[in-house]
Amino acid sequence: AQKITQTQPGMFVQEKEAVTLDCTYDTSDPSYGLFWYKQPSSGEMIFLIYQGSYDQQNATEGRYSLNFQKARKSANLVISASQLGDSAMYFCAMREGRGRDDKIIFGKGTRLHILP
Amino acid sequence: EAGVTQSPTHLIKTRGQQATLRCSPISGHTSVYWYQQALGLGLQFLLWYDEGEERNRGNFPPRFSGRQFPNYSSELNVNALELEDSALYLCASSFVPDAKNIQYFGAGTRLSVL
Repeated sequence: AQKITQTQPGMFVQEKEAVTLDCTYDTSDPSYGLFWYKQPSSGEMIFLIYQGSYDQQNATEGRYSLNFQKARKSANLVISASQLGDSAMYFCAMREGRGRDDKIIFGKGTRLHILP
Repeated sequence: EAGVTQSPTHLIKTRGQQATLRCSPISGHTSVYWYQQALGLGLQFLLWYDEGEERNRGNFPPRFSGRQFPNYSSELNVNALELEDSALYLCASSFVPDAKNIQYFGAGTRLSVL
Protein backbone atom coordinates (compact mmCIF):
# COMPACT_ATOMS: atom_id res chain seq x y z
CA ALA A 1 0.00 0.00 0.00
CA GLN A 2 1.17 3.49 -0.78
CA LYS A 3 2.32 5.50 2.20
CA ILE A 4 1.76 8.85 0.50
CA THR A 5 -1.04 9.35 -2.00
CA GLN A 6 -1.41 12.36 -4.23
CA THR A 7 -4.52 11.80 -6.31
CA GLN A 8 -4.14 14.75 -8.68
CA PRO A 9 -1.53 14.03 -11.38
CA GLY A 10 -2.11 17.47 -12.89
CA MET A 11 -4.01 20.67 -12.18
CA PHE A 12 -4.71 23.83 -14.15
CA VAL A 13 -5.52 26.95 -12.15
CA GLN A 14 -6.11 30.56 -13.14
CA GLU A 15 -3.54 33.05 -11.86
CA LYS A 16 -4.48 34.72 -8.54
CA GLU A 17 -6.86 31.91 -7.56
CA ALA A 18 -6.20 29.76 -4.49
CA VAL A 19 -5.00 26.20 -5.06
CA THR A 20 -5.42 23.10 -2.91
CA LEU A 21 -3.15 20.13 -3.58
CA ASP A 22 -4.32 16.91 -1.97
CA CYS A 23 -2.21 14.52 0.06
CA THR A 24 -3.19 11.57 2.22
CA TYR A 25 -0.77 9.45 4.19
CA ASP A 26 -0.67 6.14 5.97
CA THR A 27 1.34 5.42 9.08
CA SER A 28 0.94 3.67 12.41
CA ASP A 29 3.77 5.67 13.98
CA PRO A 30 2.34 8.28 16.41
CA SER A 31 5.30 10.57 15.74
CA TYR A 32 5.83 11.66 12.16
CA GLY A 33 6.46 14.73 10.06
CA LEU A 34 4.82 15.91 6.87
CA PHE A 35 6.51 18.02 4.21
CA TRP A 36 5.72 19.70 0.93
CA TYR A 37 8.36 20.34 -1.71
CA LYS A 38 8.20 22.23 -4.99
CA GLN A 39 10.19 21.07 -8.01
CA PRO A 40 10.40 23.54 -10.90
CA SER A 41 11.53 22.38 -14.32
CA SER A 42 15.13 23.13 -13.30
CA GLY A 43 14.98 20.03 -11.07
CA GLU A 44 15.85 21.42 -7.66
CA MET A 45 13.55 20.33 -4.83
CA ILE A 46 12.55 23.38 -2.80
CA PHE A 47 11.29 22.88 0.77
CA LEU A 48 8.00 24.71 1.33
CA ILE A 49 6.41 23.76 4.62
CA TYR A 50 6.55 21.30 7.53
CA GLN A 51 3.88 19.91 9.89
CA GLY A 52 4.69 17.74 12.89
CA SER A 53 2.19 15.12 13.98
CA TYR A 54 1.89 16.70 17.43
CA ASP A 55 1.56 20.27 16.18
CA GLN A 56 -1.77 21.74 17.27
CA GLN A 57 -1.87 24.50 14.70
CA ASN A 58 -1.80 24.19 10.93
CA ALA A 59 1.58 25.26 9.56
CA THR A 60 1.82 28.43 7.48
CA GLU A 61 4.70 29.92 5.50
CA GLY A 62 3.83 33.04 3.56
CA ARG A 63 1.35 32.09 0.83
CA TYR A 64 1.60 28.40 1.75
CA SER A 65 -0.48 26.72 4.42
CA LEU A 66 -0.94 23.09 5.30
CA ASN A 67 -4.46 21.90 6.05
CA PHE A 68 -3.67 19.13 8.55
CA GLN A 69 -6.54 16.79 9.38
CA LYS A 70 -4.99 14.14 11.56
CA ALA A 71 -8.02 11.88 11.94
CA ARG A 72 -8.44 11.74 8.18
CA LYS A 73 -4.66 11.40 7.65
CA SER A 74 -4.79 14.29 5.27
CA ALA A 75 -2.17 17.03 4.73
CA ASN A 76 -3.32 19.23 1.87
CA LEU A 77 -1.21 22.16 0.68
CA VAL A 78 -3.03 25.43 0.09
CA ILE A 79 -1.41 28.12 -2.03
CA SER A 80 -3.15 31.47 -1.80
CA ALA A 81 -3.18 34.02 -4.63
CA SER A 82 -1.36 31.78 -7.11
CA GLN A 83 1.35 33.22 -9.34
CA LEU A 84 2.79 32.12 -12.68
CA GLY A 85 5.98 31.15 -10.86
CA ASP A 86 4.04 28.58 -8.86
CA SER A 87 3.88 26.36 -11.95
CA ALA A 88 5.89 23.30 -10.94
CA MET A 89 5.70 19.76 -9.65
CA TYR A 90 4.67 19.50 -5.99
CA PHE A 91 5.58 16.57 -3.78
CA CYS A 92 4.06 15.61 -0.45
CA ALA A 93 6.37 13.62 1.83
CA MET A 94 6.27 11.96 5.22
CA ARG A 95 9.05 11.18 7.68
CA GLU A 96 8.57 8.26 10.01
CA GLY A 97 10.68 5.78 11.92
CA ARG A 98 13.53 6.05 14.38
CA GLY A 99 17.29 5.77 14.17
CA ARG A 100 18.43 3.86 11.10
CA ASP A 101 14.79 3.37 10.07
CA ASP A 102 14.19 7.12 9.96
CA LYS A 103 13.23 7.83 6.37
CA ILE A 104 11.27 10.20 4.20
CA ILE A 105 8.78 8.79 1.73
CA PHE A 106 7.65 10.90 -1.21
CA GLY A 107 4.39 10.84 -3.09
CA LYS A 108 4.29 10.68 -6.88
CA GLY A 109 3.62 14.39 -7.15
CA THR A 110 1.09 16.79 -8.66
CA ARG A 111 1.99 18.95 -11.65
CA LEU A 112 0.49 22.41 -11.19
CA HIS A 113 -0.01 24.73 -14.16
CA ILE A 114 -0.89 28.36 -13.45
CA LEU A 115 -2.69 30.01 -16.37
CA PRO A 116 -2.29 33.75 -17.11
CA GLU B 1 24.54 30.85 3.61
CA ALA B 2 25.34 28.43 0.81
CA GLY B 3 22.83 25.70 0.08
CA VAL B 4 23.48 22.12 -0.93
CA THR B 5 25.78 22.02 -3.95
CA GLN B 6 26.08 19.16 -6.39
CA SER B 7 28.53 18.52 -9.19
CA PRO B 8 28.61 18.00 -12.04
CA THR B 9 25.31 19.41 -13.29
CA HIS B 10 25.24 16.99 -16.19
CA LEU B 11 27.11 13.77 -16.76
CA ILE B 12 27.13 11.66 -19.89
CA LYS B 13 28.47 8.12 -19.73
CA THR B 14 28.26 4.96 -21.75
CA ARG B 15 26.94 1.63 -20.58
CA GLY B 16 29.42 -0.25 -18.41
CA GLN B 17 31.33 2.85 -17.28
CA GLN B 18 31.46 4.25 -13.76
CA ALA B 19 29.95 7.55 -12.63
CA THR B 20 30.93 9.66 -9.62
CA LEU B 21 28.59 12.33 -8.32
CA ARG B 22 29.51 14.80 -5.60
CA CYS B 23 27.55 16.67 -2.95
CA SER B 24 28.44 19.35 -0.40
CA PRO B 25 25.90 19.78 2.39
CA ILE B 26 24.74 22.96 4.04
CA SER B 27 27.27 24.11 6.64
CA GLY B 28 26.48 22.49 9.99
CA HIS B 29 24.53 19.59 8.48
CA THR B 30 25.98 16.17 9.20
CA SER B 31 23.58 13.98 7.23
CA VAL B 32 23.59 13.52 3.47
CA TYR B 33 20.93 11.65 1.51
CA TRP B 34 20.95 10.50 -2.10
CA TYR B 35 17.84 10.01 -4.21
CA GLN B 36 17.21 8.84 -7.76
CA GLN B 37 14.44 10.43 -9.80
CA ALA B 38 13.89 8.69 -13.11
CA LEU B 39 11.99 10.60 -15.79
CA GLY B 40 8.39 11.18 -14.80
CA LEU B 41 8.74 9.33 -11.51
CA GLY B 42 8.95 10.29 -7.87
CA LEU B 43 12.02 10.19 -5.70
CA GLN B 44 13.49 6.85 -4.77
CA PHE B 45 15.71 6.77 -1.69
CA LEU B 46 19.22 5.52 -2.38
CA LEU B 47 21.54 6.13 0.56
CA TRP B 48 21.83 7.97 3.85
CA TYR B 49 25.16 8.97 5.40
CA ASP B 50 25.59 10.53 8.80
CA GLU B 51 28.82 11.34 10.62
CA GLY B 52 30.79 9.44 8.01
CA GLU B 53 28.82 6.22 8.23
CA GLU B 54 26.20 4.65 5.99
CA ARG B 55 22.99 4.60 8.06
CA ASN B 56 20.54 3.17 5.59
CA ARG B 57 20.17 2.27 1.95
CA GLY B 58 17.22 1.85 -0.32
CA ASN B 59 16.35 -1.04 -2.57
CA PHE B 60 19.18 -0.59 -5.06
CA PRO B 61 21.89 -3.04 -6.19
CA PRO B 62 25.37 -2.93 -4.63
CA ARG B 63 26.83 -1.20 -7.68
CA PHE B 64 25.30 1.94 -6.16
CA SER B 65 27.65 2.96 -3.37
CA GLY B 66 29.07 6.03 -1.78
CA ARG B 67 30.90 7.56 1.09
CA GLN B 68 30.92 10.58 3.32
CA PHE B 69 34.10 12.50 4.02
CA PRO B 70 35.22 14.09 7.32
CA ASN B 71 33.94 17.48 6.09
CA TYR B 72 30.51 15.81 5.58
CA SER B 73 30.62 16.10 1.80
CA SER B 74 29.65 12.94 -0.03
CA GLU B 75 30.21 10.97 -3.21
CA LEU B 76 27.81 8.64 -4.96
CA ASN B 77 29.43 6.03 -7.19
CA VAL B 78 27.52 4.03 -9.74
CA ASN B 79 29.48 1.14 -11.25
CA ALA B 80 28.74 -0.86 -14.39
CA LEU B 81 26.27 1.73 -15.64
CA GLU B 82 23.08 0.52 -17.25
CA LEU B 83 20.74 2.44 -19.53
CA GLU B 84 18.06 2.55 -16.83
CA ASP B 85 20.44 4.41 -14.51
CA SER B 86 19.71 7.53 -16.55
CA ALA B 87 18.00 9.86 -14.09
CA LEU B 88 18.25 12.99 -12.01
CA TYR B 89 20.25 12.26 -8.86
CA LEU B 90 19.39 14.52 -5.98
CA CYS B 91 21.38 15.05 -2.84
CA ALA B 92 19.89 16.44 0.35
CA SER B 93 21.34 17.39 3.71
CA SER B 94 19.88 17.77 7.16
CA PHE B 95 20.81 18.18 10.80
CA VAL B 96 19.39 15.05 12.43
CA PRO B 97 19.26 16.33 16.03
CA ASP B 98 16.84 19.02 14.85
CA ALA B 99 13.39 17.68 15.71
CA LYS B 100 12.03 18.59 12.29
CA ASN B 101 15.02 17.07 10.47
CA ILE B 102 14.08 18.89 7.26
CA GLN B 103 16.00 17.76 4.21
CA TYR B 104 17.27 20.53 1.95
CA PHE B 105 18.08 19.57 -1.61
CA GLY B 106 20.65 20.50 -4.19
CA ALA B 107 19.91 21.17 -7.86
CA GLY B 108 20.81 17.62 -8.84
CA THR B 109 23.08 15.86 -11.30
CA ARG B 110 21.44 14.70 -14.49
CA LEU B 111 23.09 11.43 -15.52
CA SER B 112 22.61 10.17 -19.05
CA VAL B 113 23.78 6.67 -19.92
CA LEU B 114 24.16 6.02 -23.64
